[in-house]
Amino acid sequence: DQQVKQNSPSLSVQEGRISILNCDYTNSMFDYFLWYKKYPAEGPTFLISISSIKDKNEDGRFTVFLNKSAKHLSLHIVPSQPGDSAVYFCAAHRRYGNKLVFGAGTILRVKS
Amino acid sequence: GAGVSQSPSNKVTEKGKDVELRCDPISGHTALYWYRQSLGQGLEFLIYFQGNSAPDKSGLPSDRFSAERTGGSVSTLTIQRTQQEDSAVYLCASSLAGTGVEETQYFGPGTRLLVL
Repeated sequence: DQQVKQNSPSLSVQEGRISILNCDYTNSMFDYFLWYKKYPAEGPTFLISISSIKDKNEDGRFTVFLNKSAKHLSLHIVPSQPGDSAVYFCAAHRRYGNKLVFGAGTILRVKS
Repeated sequence: GAGVSQSPSNKVTEKGKDVELRCDPISGHTALYWYRQSLGQGLEFLIYFQGNSAPDKSGLPSDRFSAERTGGSVSTLTIQRTQQEDSAVYLCASSLAGTGVEETQYFGPGTRLLVL
């Protein structure tokens, strides 16, 4: 049972445009959501997070939107840069839980 | 150190041998986690340590897997009698307090294990 789903295995975007990565979850007990970025041969790097009491969190070029009723979150990168090319993982955490549940990842390619 | 460190970065072993993977968490972080990422898959939780509490081993896939955390810092993940399906990237993460309330986990670079 995959509780966190990233249905797009890959996404290709032109430099300077917006990248939108999507994530769906099924467990209504999740209350904290995170996005990680991963380059080949490196560990995941924390990007941005959002609490379930919010619907938007912004940090520079990165914005995460949460739609609790739809159990959906998205990561927007504006403007996209070639260095953003990586695998992006969506992860969710249950309050007082002790593990992150990850999606399978989306490969983002930003073309210059 | 500045971040989570793991060793070795790569490990190739023969089926049936035992392997040990090491993790040094961020200084001051009391919670430590092990995950693994098999080819083409997302990260899968293995085990969690928090202070002196009993670890949460609910993610360990078989009794061939075990982990220790000595002195509340360094952790070792041991896989006995390795099988080819154990081939994966093993990732360690740490977090400040392990309260489970909006806490971010920070990952190390991982150990790439290949079982021949």
